[in-house]
Amino acid sequence: GQNIDQPTEMTATEGAIVQINCTYQTSGFNGLFWYQQHAGEAPTFLSYNVLDGLEEKGRFSSFLSRSKGYSYLLLKELQMKDSASYLCAVREGGNTPLVFGKGTRLSVIA
Amino acid sequence: DAGITQSPRHKVTETGTPVTLRCHQTENHRYMYWYRQDPGHGLRLIHYSYGVKDTDKGEVSDGYSVSRSKTEDFLLTLESATSSQTSVYFCATRRDGNTEAFFGQGTRLTVV
Repeated sequence: GQNIDQPTEMTATEGAIVQINCTYQTSGFNGLFWYQQHAGEAPTFLSYNVLDGLEEKGRFSSFLSRSKGYSYLLLKELQMKDSASYLCAVREGGNTPLVFGKGTRLSVIA
Repeated sequence: DAGITQSPRHKVTETGTPVTLRCHQTENHRYMYWYRQDPGHGLRLIHYSYGVKDTDKGEVSDGYSVSRSKTEDFLLTLESATSSQTSVYFCATRRDGNTEAFFGQGTRLTVV
């Protein structure tokens, strides 16, 4: 079976750093994806990891440890516009569909 | 981003009526997906397509059917809508390779 876990909600302060964790147990692994979804909008792609380590893209970074079934999304210099849900998704096989966790709702407060 | 258009964007329908949602893409992506998103459940896969006339079931396929007669269009049909199918439906597409999926703007369906 598939199990992808993320915290349901998080709150952080503007200008701070926040780390959103994702753990997964899947029958196979061919990549982990992070998406951002603002309320009432479509998910948009943020980052992709298939090898262990850190991928940095501006204020956002994503880390993967395949042996631990663990990833995190790191958001630096938080802005109010970062208030959104963050979705962790895993691809189990070469061309299989993404399987999503339930998402983490992040609220950025002043 | 892929040009993905979902129609309609909003629909209210009565229990027992058939409903068809359309996803149209202009990027010639091979793969197309239908997900539903509900509070407490996240995005769940309904059906997907890996080419024209090639489709497969996802996690929550009961009560839904799909068709893909050409690359650019992927139709989702609720044969007889039920209140449990009230949801936001997202179409997504992906090109070949281990790549990200792009999402349409969603269709909010209410079954009364």
